Amino acid sequence: EMVMTQSPATLSVSPGERATLSCRASQSVANNLAWYQQKPGQAPRLLIYGASTRATGIPARFSGSGSGTEFTLTISSLQSEDFAVYYCQQFNNLPPWTFGQGTKVEIK
Amino acid sequence: EVHLSESGGGLVQPGGSLRLSCAASGFTFSSYGMTWVRQAPGKGPEWVSAISGSGGKTYYADSLKGRFTISRDNSKNTLFLQMTSLRVEDTAIYYCAREWSYFVYWGLGTLVTVSS
Repeated sequence: EMVMTQSPATLSVSPGERATLSCRASQSVANNLAWYQQKPGQAPRLLIYGASTRATGIPARFSGSGSGTEFTLTISSLQSEDFAVYYCQQFNNLPPWTFGQGTKVEIK
Repeated sequence: EVHLSESGGGLVQPGGSLRLSCAASGFTFSSYGMTWVRQAPGKGPEWVSAISGSGGKTYYADSLKGRFTISRDNSKNTLFLQMTSLRVEDTAIYYCAREWSYFVYWGLGTLVTVSS
């Protein structure tokens, strides 16, 4: 089964700073990767799909890059509402799909 | 507006069964694949199962080992997840989501607790 590994587990960042989150797939998923943001008590919110395409209504400070096995989510200037847990998810070829274990972005 | 609403969760003993439902509205239900995703307390999301728009294709997480069955009733715009032989480790919030690749629309989830 495909394994998605996210790093770091926790990222401490000051408001206004840049945050860089990583996601690695155990085998190539081409660009079939999505990123989600989740806040306590809420369902995940889609940020990025196709590795780099922002979902509708997602601010431009969120960007995704990568292909194959290495992916990055960058938040260019962290706002207070961005402190949350972020997950990557692969959807390459056919199910089953897999999520990463998450990166918590916390206030430094 | 797309709306997904799960129901059917609750407290069940190990070895028991539950049937979850997801009522959909705001889109042509039969045109979309649908997915169940679960999230155990303090853990990340886990993909559970998906079904094609017609219901003709179904997929399951390897870890479920045939205990769960996904189905849909397109005449009632409803998605189902029949869960049997439930284990403590099945305790989670169960979400339904539209599509079977990546997920824009999610329900609020229904909590399943497996405990004696």
